[in-house]
Amino acid sequence: ELKVEQNPLFLSMQEGKNYTIYCNYSTTSDRLYWYRQDPGKSLESLFVLLSNGAVKQEGRLMASLDTKARLSTLHITAAVHDLSATYFCAARINNAGNMLTFGGGTRLMVKP
Amino acid sequence: NAGVTQTPKFRVLKTGQSMTLLCAQDMNHEYMYWYRQDPGMGLRLIHYSVGEGTTAKGEVPDGYNVSRLKKQNFLLGLESAAPSQTSVYFCASSPGEMSGYTFGSGTRLTVV
Repeated sequence: ELKVEQNPLFLSMQEGKNYTIYCNYSTTSDRLYWYRQDPGKSLESLFVLLSNGAVKQEGRLMASLDTKARLSTLHITAAVHDLSATYFCAARINNAGNMLTFGGGTRLMVKP
Repeated sequence: NAGVTQTPKFRVLKTGQSMTLLCAQDMNHEYMYWYRQDPGMGLRLIHYSVGEGTTAKGEVPDGYNVSRLKKQNFLLGLESAAPSQTSVYFCASSPGEMSGYTFGSGTRLTVV
């Protein structure tokens, strides 16, 4: 059974600071997704990571994947208030159905 | 371009009542999913479908039934609602294996 754990669950940070969200998964997975959710809204896809060593960047967010360690990270550089949201990672289960198992989410609050 | 549409957006049920949540997608996607979201637990898969006329159980299927009579629609039924089913329900669709999800906007259900 694939389990996905994120930490921290809650992160309060000052604008301009850097921080990393960690996502561990328990068994082999062939792709890892990161999503953003604003309060009361749906999930917006940020990144999909397909292979060991994959790195993707969009603005102040950078995601990476280490398949050997079963670890993905989402790094926030020089945080701004607009990044305040809940971030989820999700790993694809390696069988038919294209099912995703989600982590518990990291609620990020960026204070001015 | 509607994407994935969920109805209703909000609903309050009394314990023991039944209801059906509707998910409709206009992207001709083969795969469709129902997830529930609870605080600190991320999204958990209830049921999914890999094509018209097919359904399968996910991680937390008890108390729910689904049907996919038409490719574009995926219905989630609660036969006898319980307070433990108070949650936000998200529908998602995917073109097929190895493809990302498009999420609906969610249904907030409260069972009293």
